[in-house]
Amino acid sequence: NAGVTQTPKFRILKIGQSMTLQCTQDMNHNYMYWYRQDPGMGLKLIYYSVGAGITDKGEVPNGYNVSRSTTEDFPLRLELAAPSQTSVYFCASSYSRGTTDTQYFGPGTRLTVL
Amino acid sequence: SQKIEQNSEALNIQEGKTATLTCNYTNYSPAYLQWYRQDPGRGPVFLLLIRENEKEKREERLKVTFDTTLKQSLFHITASQPADSATYLCALPNSGNTPLVFGKGTRLSVIA
Repeated sequence: NAGVTQTPKFRILKIGQSMTLQCTQDMNHNYMYWYRQDPGMGLKLIYYSVGAGITDKGEVPNGYNVSRSTTEDFPLRLELAAPSQTSVYFCASSYSRGTTDTQYFGPGTRLTVL
Repeated sequence: SQKIEQNSEALNIQEGKTATLTCNYTNYSPAYLQWYRQDPGRGPVFLLLIRENEKEKREERLKVTFDTTLKQSLFHITASQPADSATYLCALPNSGNTPLVFGKGTRLSVIA
């Protein structure tokens, strides 16, 4: 199993550009998550999904959109990129959101908006 | 919403000593609490889960305690090694069955 994969690893955007961060998991997990991590600020939940076709907002959803058309894929869309979106983005998945909810993380995408 | 505080941003200890990291939470008492390890440039990796009815859990050199009265978890690494140097995050559900909330982490440096 590859686990959780993310592409690209690095990206530089200009203000106002848009892009999609890709996330794929091959563990047949129902739950998937997008986090951003700023230096010294910990992980902040952007969006999450409990299954194909179902998504919900996390703590910091503004400026982002998601979709979940399959169990495996959970892309994160940035529209009109802003410098405040410069961060490291992590995708994660878990089998269930019950008593365990152990999350498996991808390697991250480092995004810079100039 | 849940607020998590990890005792310090950075902790330096000598090789062979026991490292103790603290995680305090302020509101809802969770059914479980987790600890993750994060190396620079990588995603967090799950280490241990402890449930509210478990006082202590051990795995090799790792030990986690969970005190629901104090609203605190302690994470111990015994006989620490330079390879243990990393950032350690605690995580717990915000409330009920909601997604995990992560602390900011403690960066541990084990000095040879």
